[in-house]
Amino acid sequence: DAKTTQPPSMDCAEGRAANLPCNHSTISGNEYVYWYRQIHSQGPQYIIHGLKNNETNEMASLIITEDRKSSTLILPHATLRDTAVYYCIVRVPLGSFGAGTTVTVRA
Amino acid sequence: KAGVTQTPRYLIKTRGQQVTLSCSPISGHRSVSWYQQTPGQGLQFLFEYFSETQRNKGNFPGRFSGRQFSNSRSEMNVSTLELGDSALYLCASSFEDYGYTFGSGTRLTVV
Repeated sequence: DAKTTQPPSMDCAEGRAANLPCNHSTISGNEYVYWYRQIHSQGPQYIIHGLKNNETNEMASLIITEDRKSSTLILPHATLRDTAVYYCIVRVPLGSFGAGTTVTVRA
Repeated sequence: KAGVTQTPRYLIKTRGQQVTLSCSPISGHRSVSWYQQTPGQGLQFLFEYFSETQRNKGNFPGRFSGRQFSNSRSEMNVSTLELGDSALYLCASSFEDYGYTFGSGTRLTVV
């Protein structure tokens, strides 16, 4: 399984963009990158996923580097409700989630 | 459409007892995966079922088992409960390995 590396925490000001990096240097050619978030012990919520092209939906944008060894999740206008733990995963559900990035959005 | 439903939401059991948790996937989803989440270990993968067959398994002792029925509903069982089994148990369902939807979980407390 490809492993992912994320910073343990980051702060973001409300209304600003939040850029969450993830390294997945051992990703295989057919493995997708998934992003989930978890708010206070609720079930993880799907955000977005991608293979090699950049993706955008109503929640976020996903930028994947050309070599696919890293990606960035962008929350374009962070709100207080975006405070959560964000997980970057390759090939759910094989393997466990990492520690993720705890994002705190401040007013 | 209805999401992934897990029952019960909360459960208190005594050491040595066994417990069965239930997961009803989204209609049409044939894959169900189970996770254990504890403060110290994070989200750990237990096992995955697809069309009534266990397809993948995490690194948990044999006390943890599961099964899937023909309607894709799944149950997981933990026998001989230990204090360390106290955790949030989550299940997730998917259609064809693309994107997994999680339930709200069952909070198990072993006393």
